[in-house]
Amino acid sequence: KQEVTQIPAALSVPEGENLVLNCSFTDSAIYNLQWFRQDPGKGLTSLLLIQSSQREQTSGRLNASLDKSSGRSTLYIAASQPGDSATYLCAVRGGGSQGNLIFGKGTKLSVKP
Amino acid sequence: EAGVAQSPRYKIIEKRQSVAFWCNPISGHATLYWYQQILGQGPKLLIQFQNNGVVDDSQLPKDRFSAERLKGVDSTLKIQPAKLEDSAVYLCASTQPSGFLSTDTQYFGPGTRLTVL
Repeated sequence: KQEVTQIPAALSVPEGENLVLNCSFTDSAIYNLQWFRQDPGKGLTSLLLIQSSQREQTSGRLNASLDKSSGRSTLYIAASQPGDSATYLCAVRGGGSQGNLIFGKGTKLSVKP
Repeated sequence: EAGVAQSPRYKIIEKRQSVAFWCNPISGHATLYWYQQILGQGPKLLIQFQNNGVVDDSQLPKDRFSAERLKGVDSTLKIQPAKLEDSAVYLCASTQPSGFLSTDTQYFGPGTRLTVL
């Protein structure tokens, strides 16, 4: 059974700092790994999707890496801003015909001005 | 392009009452998902539809939860009767399958926050 773990559960940093969020998963048979952002009272927004054959994806100040063999992914946020404050969720699309998304519990990020 | 719409946004009910949630996916999206997100947890899939057929409902508590997607567009999720542990945010998501599971992205609605007293 696929399990996704995110560390840390919460993180508070001063504005401008670079930071790394961690995600680990137990079964390497995945189609992809996605990082989502969730703001209070809002749904999830997909930030980056890394296919199982890829090592990393970049979008603006965000860079996500995937090491499928070790079951790990990191989300790197450069030059953090108060607007980055949100909960970041990692999800893997598992094997099988449907490839359902399995989510971690998230990391709540607070960036202080 | 309009996103995934859900209503109501908030609902408070007493235990043992019934409640229904509505979802309108992005136009043209054949696949629709309902997730349950308990406070402090990640979303958990309840049911997946492909057009108006159920693809996966293995994690749906069928003794009290039901869902339908008539005409393959809008969907409703019902709880009857509700329990205290059903308090959660119910998220709807949709996608238009490309045939490649490795690249498909799900688009999420804002969710319905249910409180059962």
